[in-house]
Amino acid sequence: GAVVSQHPSRVICKSGTSVKIECRSLDFQATTMFWYRQFPKQSLMLMATSNEGSKATYEQGVEKDKFLINHASLTLSTLTVTSAHPEDSSFYICSATGNTGELFFGEGSRLTVL
Amino acid sequence: AQSVTQPDIHITVSEGASLELRCNYSYGATPYLFWYVQSPGQGLQLLLKYFSGDTLVQGIKGFEAEFKRSQSSFNLRKPSVHWSDAAEYFCAVGARGGKLIFGQGTELSVKP
Repeated sequence: GAVVSQHPSRVICKSGTSVKIECRSLDFQATTMFWYRQFPKQSLMLMATSNEGSKATYEQGVEKDKFLINHASLTLSTLTVTSAHPEDSSFYICSATGNTGELFFGEGSRLTVL
Repeated sequence: AQSVTQPDIHITVSEGASLELRCNYSYGATPYLFWYVQSPGQGLQLLLKYFSGDTLVQGIKGFEAEFKRSQSSFNLRKPSVHWSDAAEYFCAVGARGGKLIFGQGTELSVKP
């Protein structure tokens, strides 16, 4: 089946720094990618939807200047957490869909902000 | 409003016993329904999905789910649970290829 890869799987950074997480579709063209956030022992909450070549659509309550999403190509979307703080520590998961309409999830990226 | 409710936060079953995880949804359009499993610190694995057709859906690892439109439910079942099934289970609803709304999750523990 189709594969969506996230990198890095784990990242630790200092408070105030920025962190970039990549989401790649390895064997299909992802016209749309979704970014979710999951706090420990909680469900996944959609942060934003990104379509290739256009600005991301953020869910209510998600700071777009804090969580920068770029979907510059049909195989890559990036989430940059700017000026990260400990409360940004979370598990971030992307999903991608292409022309078939099937949805595939990445393995997730765990961010820890010290 | 669109939502998914998993009434059971935590369920414990004995190995070999049957399992049913409940899921109720509220969705304005024709729902696409999914069940995912997540092991600690891992991503999501799709167990099964329902788009249309036969309302009893077979998935991987011996799981099945039944779509009941009248009850707005999509319960997950397994006739005999294995210790390796211990994990977090999420029900989700959405449009095909679109964003998903997830339930709160049900944590499954398996007793030997």
